[in-house]
Amino acid sequence: QQQVKQSPQSLIVQKGGISIINCAYENTAFDYFPWYQQFPGKGPALLIAIRPDVSEKKEGRFTISFNKSAKQFSLHIMDSQPGDSATYFCAASRNGATNKLIFGTGTLLAVQP
Amino acid sequence: DTGVSQDPRHKITKRGQNVTFRCDPISEHNRLYWYRQTLGQGPEFLTYFQNEAQLEKSRLLSDRFSAERPKGSFSTLEIQRTEQGDSAMYLCASTNGGAQNEQFFGPGTRLTVL
Repeated sequence: QQQVKQSPQSLIVQKGGISIINCAYENTAFDYFPWYQQFPGKGPALLIAIRPDVSEKKEGRFTISFNKSAKQFSLHIMDSQPGDSATYFCAASRNGATNKLIFGTGTLLAVQP
Repeated sequence: DTGVSQDPRHKITKRGQNVTFRCDPISEHNRLYWYRQTLGQGPEFLTYFQNEAQLEKSRLLSDRFSAERPKGSFSTLEIQRTEQGDSAMYLCASTNGGAQNEQFFGPGTRLTVL
């Protein structure tokens, strides 16, 4: 049972364009939604995160949009750069004993110069 | 560098051998996680420590897997009698459990079982 569904699987964007990656979750108990960026051979790096009490969070060129009623959230990368080419993972966790992260399957982003 | 460190970064072993990986979390972080990531997939939770106590183990963690965090600092993950299906990236993450519970990942140990 996949608790966090991520799309698309891969994405090609031109330099300067907007990259949009979507995630949907099933468990309404989730209350923390981070996005991670991973380069080949490296561990995931926390990019930005949101809690369901806000509908949007922006940090630099990265924005999370959150729709609690639809149980969906998305990552927008504005002015995409070749250096943004990486795999992006959404994740979710619920406040509890472990706060373990449940990850989506990832989106491979390629930004063409 | 005060990030999460893992050792070794790469491990190639033959089927049936035992392997042990080490994770050193960020020094003030009392919570530590192990995840496993196979090619083309997101990380999957394996186990969780708060200080030295192992509080949760995933069903993915068969009897051949054991993890410890003896002094509440570094942690080890041992796999006994490795199988080809164990080939994966093993990731360690730590957090101080604050309001945001941000988990910081290490670079991972890539295991290849021949």
